[in-house]
Amino acid sequence: DTEVTQTPKHLVMGMTNKKSLKCEQHMGHRAMYWYKQKAKKPPELMFVYSYEKLSINESVPSRFSPECPNSSLLNLHLHALQPEDSALYLCASSRQLAVSYEQYFGPGTRLTVT
Amino acid sequence: QQQVKQSPQSLIVQKGGIPIINCAYENTAFDYFPWYQQFPGKGPALLIAIRPDVSEKKEGRFTISFNKSAKQFSLHIMDSQPGDSATYFCAANFGNEKLTFGTGTRLTIIP
Repeated sequence: DTEVTQTPKHLVMGMTNKKSLKCEQHMGHRAMYWYKQKAKKPPELMFVYSYEKLSINESVPSRFSPECPNSSLLNLHLHALQPEDSALYLCASSRQLAVSYEQYFGPGTRLTVT
Repeated sequence: QQQVKQSPQSLIVQKGGIPIINCAYENTAFDYFPWYQQFPGKGPALLIAIRPDVSEKKEGRFTISFNKSAKQFSLHIMDSQPGDSATYFCAANFGNEKLTFGTGTRLTIIP
């Protein structure tokens, strides 16, 4: 099973709201990722967690706050977003870092900021 | 040096034809080259991947050809079907966390 699940599928939020995106995998993977994808563009890496510790932050604004409560779960907390943050947010996982392993993506959360 | 250049941007092929999507890279440290298929509104799905110690890999109707000296790799889809219509991304990695994606190819298979 190579399934990564994400909730919610769709999210509409105002610029003053606080919301969270959730991601879960049960493949025993120790690396988890958040990507942002705009229409007709490739995914852009935002954050990487390795063994539940933040490994990479690709200079993402602080209105995006990741959290990795355990090895199976990854959250992305959203606060005071801008309309330009509207995008498809993708979670991915892989066996571990430091070695090139397959990354498996979830179905994404379509976020609209009004 | 981190870029992966992908072409063409869009491609229309008759059913049963063999679409070919090409990617080129500069960083010789890359050691893993996956292809992803993405349908509208869905996440990218890992299709097939190759490492530079082989020149070709086949999985079902999908084949990756890899030319290490030219720093190029390509995806071939045999006996293409309308259900293969999607956006395809090549990518590259070199043992760290960050996949470097190509710009994507929108493939349309017409009946």
